[in-house]
Amino acid sequence: QVQLVESGGGLVKPGGSLRLSCAASGFTLSDYYMSWIRQAPGKGLEWLSYISSSSSYTKYADSVKGRFTISRDNAKNSLYLQMNSLRAEDTAVYYCARGELSPLDQWGQGTLVTVSS
Amino acid sequence: DIQMTQSPSSLSASVGDRVTITCRASQTISSYLNWYQQKPGKAPKLLIYATSNLQSGVPSRFSGSGSGTDFTLTISSLQPEDFATYYCQQSSNTPPTFGQGTNVEI
Repeated sequence: QVQLVESGGGLVKPGGSLRLSCAASGFTLSDYYMSWIRQAPGKGLEWLSYISSSSSYTKYADSVKGRFTISRDNAKNSLYLQMNSLRAEDTAVYYCARGELSPLDQWGQGTLVTVSS
Repeated sequence: DIQMTQSPSSLSASVGDRVTITCRASQTISSYLNWYQQKPGKAPKLLIYATSNLQSGVPSRFSGSGSGTDFTLTISSLQPEDFATYYCQQSSNTPPTFGQGTNVEI
């Protein structure tokens, strides 16, 4: 069955970096755009970024533009989010999801990123 | 960016109740409106896409309607497993944006 599994979250100091991964299985990753969405503790959902199936096109939310980079390796069935210059307000559960402007029809379980000194 | 506003932010209901949640977009989004359900500690789950299309496996007590700027999610007879937070999301323009959520509680 379709599965998305995020990893790479953890505790990081302000100004630090972290790389999240999302392992896809049960479908052909290269057929789909993919997205990252986050949810701060007790808050709603915030779309962060999406990437086209061939990596030729990416888009970012203003809140992370210039700090976060989305990428993918279709051969490894993996999606990534490189997060630099992290701030306290980046503390959230980060989800990968299948789709972009299409409905997000499959989501991972999420990985928690905590930015704190 | 298109702003999505849900109402109410929370509601109390009982099993068997008919529940309606509304979502308003700050500009027209045609039928590019999706609904998600999220239970505590879990990832969101797609319920309805393109305003009124039920995602595979979603019970028929869920339905969606609307167009343009005003949309509705209806649960015809609330079941115990439906107590959750519901989010609308527009997929008309980048960035895709979500409503603030509606918490359906007992």
